Amino acid sequence: GIQVEQSPPDLILQEGANSTLRCNFSDSVNNLQWFHQNPWGQLINLFYIPSGTKQNGRLSATTVATERYSLLYISSSQTTDSGVYFCAVETSGSRLTFGEGTQLTVNP
Amino acid sequence: DGGITQSPKYLFRKEGQNVTLSCEQNLNHDAMYWYRQDPGQGLRLIYYSQIVNDFQKGDIAEGYSVSREKKESFPLTVTSAQKNPTAFYLCASSIAVAFSTDTQYFGPGTRLTVL
Repeated sequence: GIQVEQSPPDLILQEGANSTLRCNFSDSVNNLQWFHQNPWGQLINLFYIPSGTKQNGRLSATTVATERYSLLYISSSQTTDSGVYFCAVETSGSRLTFGEGTQLTVNP
Repeated sequence: DGGITQSPKYLFRKEGQNVTLSCEQNLNHDAMYWYRQDPGQGLRLIYYSQIVNDFQKGDIAEGYSVSREKKESFPLTVTSAQKNPTAFYLCASSIAVAFSTDTQYFGPGTRLTVL
């Protein structure tokens, strides 16, 4: 099956810093989604981005499908950005495969 | 409020007992999913359903069973055959799109501990 690798596995930032999270995948995908899991376990979808670039406030994402990677940018980070960020891809049949996530800690 | 509810939030069971986790959605979504998350890991798909009265196995279906009798409900039973059932269980739903998936929306999860 498809492999999804996220980097870095852990990231510690000071409030106000910028960061880039990366998601590599091993095969062609129909779509790609980024999620944020807060410390209480709730997953919130951030972007549905099979290709191209999208922006939502301080967050933006870019997927280069031909090169099999996606990037999530967080600018001016806040403590509420802490949590785990997951990349998930779909190859066929309405099934998502998740990466193992990047654990982000933003310190005040 | 539209959304996905899961109950209970925390569940404790003795080894060897079957347990059923509830998932309800009022988003009018056709597709529903069950995932398992172990500490420090990503989500793994257990079962999914794209339409009432139909469901498919995911990557780790052994020891689990589901039903989809109503569009808004997709309960998951963790049976005694599941060797290591202690985990965080997440339910999700999405609009069903032919041969693809739309954005998935998640419930708050159920933490199951088997003693």
